[in-house]
Amino acid sequence: QKEVEQDPGPLSVPEGAIVSLNCTYSNSAFQYFMWYRQYSRKGPELLMYTYSSGNKEDGRFTAQVDKSSKYISLFIRDSQPSDSATYLCAINLPGNNDMRFGAGTRLTVKP
Amino acid sequence: DGGITQSPKYLFRKEGQNVTLSCEQNLNHDAMYWYRQDPGQGLRLIYYSQIVNDFQKGDIAEGYSVSREKKESFPLTVTSAQKNPTAFYLCASAGGAETQYFGPGTRLLVL
Repeated sequence: QKEVEQDPGPLSVPEGAIVSLNCTYSNSAFQYFMWYRQYSRKGPELLMYTYSSGNKEDGRFTAQVDKSSKYISLFIRDSQPSDSATYLCAINLPGNNDMRFGAGTRLTVKP
Repeated sequence: DGGITQSPKYLFRKEGQNVTLSCEQNLNHDAMYWYRQDPGQGLRLIYYSQIVNDFQKGDIAEGYSVSREKKESFPLTVTSAQKNPTAFYLCASAGGAETQYFGPGTRLLVL
């Protein structure tokens, strides 16, 4: 079993839709949770960072963590064509030396 | 502007040749990382360094070497021992929180 599982998609939605991206992880020792956005041929850009269960909101983006289920989600409201990218989930242990990444979900938002 | 720079953007390697990828950061971060990204896979850790003159192997260090002579710089050498070097290479740095910030990447291709 992979440490982090993420559906690679691709996922295609119309502009304005609510997008839900998800990852599961296997090791309950992981305590830090990130979402990165990666445009084609670019480096990943940090979108959201959280270390606790619950929701964290930043504009149109909401990160949700359920440690009891080992399940993390990213919601994008009012999706825009500029949101078209690959979204990577990442989990980490204290000390920042064992970050694990999902394979990434490719999202396309159609005008 | 603070950030992480990687050069070159594209690099071509001939068989049997060693090539070096540059990574520089002006964020005053102590920790730096090198990842390899292949299509459909998550990022895999090659090497990391938490302080100057010290570095540790990651999950896929074979065929690669690094140095950390300055806090700002963490070059990666892809040696001739790496038989499948074609990939997108990403450098990252971290300044204390359990998250990482990425550079724009270098795409390595084999001639």
